[in-house]
Amino acid sequence: DQQVKQNSPSLSVQEGRISILNCDYTNSMFDYFLWYKKYPAEGPTFLISISSIKDKNEDGRFTVFLNKSAKHLSLHIVPSQPGDSAVYFCAASVGSYQLTFGKGTKLSVIP
Amino acid sequence: DARVTQTPRHKVTEMGQEVTMRCQPILGHNTVFWYRQTMMQGLELLAYFRNRAPLDDSGMPKDRFSAEMPDATLATLKIQPSEPRDSAVYFCASGLSIPQPQHFGDGTRLSIL
Repeated sequence: DQQVKQNSPSLSVQEGRISILNCDYTNSMFDYFLWYKKYPAEGPTFLISISSIKDKNEDGRFTVFLNKSAKHLSLHIVPSQPGDSAVYFCAASVGSYQLTFGKGTKLSVIP
Repeated sequence: DARVTQTPRHKVTEMGQEVTMRCQPILGHNTVFWYRQTMMQGLELLAYFRNRAPLDDSGMPKDRFSAEMPDATLATLKIQPSEPRDSAVYFCASGLSIPQPQHFGDGTRLSIL
């Protein structure tokens, strides 16, 4: 049973436009959500997080939105840059440090 | 920048051989995680430690996998005997506690022939 789902395996976006990556979860007990970015042959790198008491968190070009009623999380990247091309993982936890990851979405930003 | 260091980066060995993967967590981090990444399953948590004590290893096949932290600077993941289905990228991560994020190493790419 996959508790964190990233239904789009891949996404292509033009440079300068907005990238929107989506994540759905089934466990209503999740209270902390994170996005990680991964380049080939490297480990995932933390990007941004959000607590369940918030519905938005922003860090520069990256904004994460949380819709608890829909059990939906999204990451917006504006403007998208070629260096943003990577695999993005959504992750969630329940009051502990144990993370459950989605399977990732590969973002390609086309110059 | 402090980093999680994993060795070896690549390992190719034959079925039945023992495999040991090592991880040096970031100094000061009290929680260490082992993950396995495959195409089919994505990133799965195998085991994790807090203050060197194992807290959860339910994601690990117990008959062949073992994870230890001999000291605060070293975590090991062993597979004995190894099987072709163990071929994957194994990541170690370390951290403090929520809301601090986990920091990942660059992984060990394991191929069992």
